[in-house]
Amino acid sequence: QVQLQESGPGLVKPSETLSLTCSVSGGSISNYFWNWFRQPPGKGLEWIGYIYYSGTTKYNSSLQSRVTISVDMSNSQFSLNLNSVTAADTAVYYCARHVVYTPLYFDFWGRGTLVTVSS
Amino acid sequence: DIQMTQSPSSVSASVGDRVTITCRASQGISSWLAWYQQMPGKAPKLLIYAASSLQTGVPSRFSGSGSGTDFTLTISSLQPEDFATYYCQRANSFPPTFGPGTKVEIK
Repeated sequence: QVQLQESGPGLVKPSETLSLTCSVSGGSISNYFWNWFRQPPGKGLEWIGYIYYSGTTKYNSSLQSRVTISVDMSNSQFSLNLNSVTAADTAVYYCARHVVYTPLYFDFWGRGTLVTVSS
Repeated sequence: DIQMTQSPSSVSASVGDRVTITCRASQGISSWLAWYQQMPGKAPKLLIYAASSLQTGVPSRFSGSGSGTDFTLTISSLQPEDFATYYCQRANSFPPTFGPGTKVEIK
């Protein structure tokens, strides 16, 4: 059974960079798109972007200027960097996968990690 | 981007009730729609994909229907573990967008 686990600081100062890592276990990192989502407290879900194991990425246009997603195949991990954060970036951040060349159904998710932006 | 709406925003129901949630897309998306269940403090769980296909392991009391712009999720007999928030999500192209959610509460 595939498992995903997010990790990273729970508190980030305004204007700094939010950095999270998602560790994948129980399955191959190949043949899937690895995604990041976020959910502000009490609000809905927003897709941030994905990376393929080859390094190909795609980002939500609303965040594209501030987001970078990278992959570390050797450690079966992928990471999210979001720079110049503000309080509006406070959210639970999730990683999730979907199968390449299929519709965008996200079948495995991490448990999520709350990141608070505050000084 | 295609926008997703859901109704109602919340519903109060009792164990054993039949519950129906509606999702509407601002443009046609064929059958490229998924439904997720989210318990408080937990990640979303994929329930239904392709508008009506049940994800492996999901109880058969959940069903989905619809195509084009109008979709429904039905819980035929509500169980205690079904009290949660339900989201629809369009799956035809990036960015995948979600509806605002429907909270199913205990009556």
